[in-house]
Amino acid sequence: EIVMTQSPATLSVSPGERATLSCRASQSVSSNLAWYQQKPGQAPRLLIYGASTRATGIPARFSGSGSGTEFTLTISSLQSEDFAVYYCQQYNNWPWYTFGQGTKLEIK
Amino acid sequence: EVQLVESGGGLVQPGGSLRLSCAASGFTFSSYWMSWVRQAPGKGLEWVANIKQDGSEKYYVDSVKGRFTISRDNAKNSLYLQMNSLRAEDTAVYYCARGGSGSYYLPGFLRAFDIWGQGTMVTVSS
Repeated sequence: EIVMTQSPATLSVSPGERATLSCRASQSVSSNLAWYQQKPGQAPRLLIYGASTRATGIPARFSGSGSGTEFTLTISSLQSEDFAVYYCQQYNNWPWYTFGQGTKLEIK
Repeated sequence: EVQLVESGGGLVQPGGSLRLSCAASGFTFSSYWMSWVRQAPGKGLEWVANIKQDGSEKYYVDSVKGRFTISRDNAKNSLYLQMNSLRAEDTAVYYCARGGSGSYYLPGFLRAFDIWGQGTMVTVSS
């Protein structure tokens, strides 16, 4: 099983600043990685797939990078609506999937 | 509007059964792989199962294999999850989610989940 580890568990950032979230795979997943945003009481929303491709309707301030075992989600200038929990997901051994444990992005 | 709506959750005793449903609308349901993903209270996301467009392929996470069965009825635009021998650790919000369309051999086949339902809560407790 491919284990996904996200860091940090909680990230405190001020509005308008940049946020950088990390995701590490226990073995290479190539670029087969997605990022999701989840707000309290809501379903997850797809942000990024293929490690760096924004999903439909996702603002340009969200960007993804990395390949192999190290991945980053960057939010360039935090808006109030961006404070949420973010999950990475690998699908390199599709049709099986594993998620990271999540990073909570909170207001500083 | 593209939409997934789950139903069928509730309180069930350990060892009991429950059947979840997911009604799809706004897209050609029969063209898409579909999945169930769950989230225990205060915890992260866990993929549970998925099914090919015609139902000919089904895959499960090890922890539910032999107890859960995913199925679909394309004529009714519906996805199902039959859950048997339920355990306390199955307590979670269960989401249905849309996967890729077309052949998975083709470039551009989306393996991530682009549409999610609002979820239905399953509580396993005596």
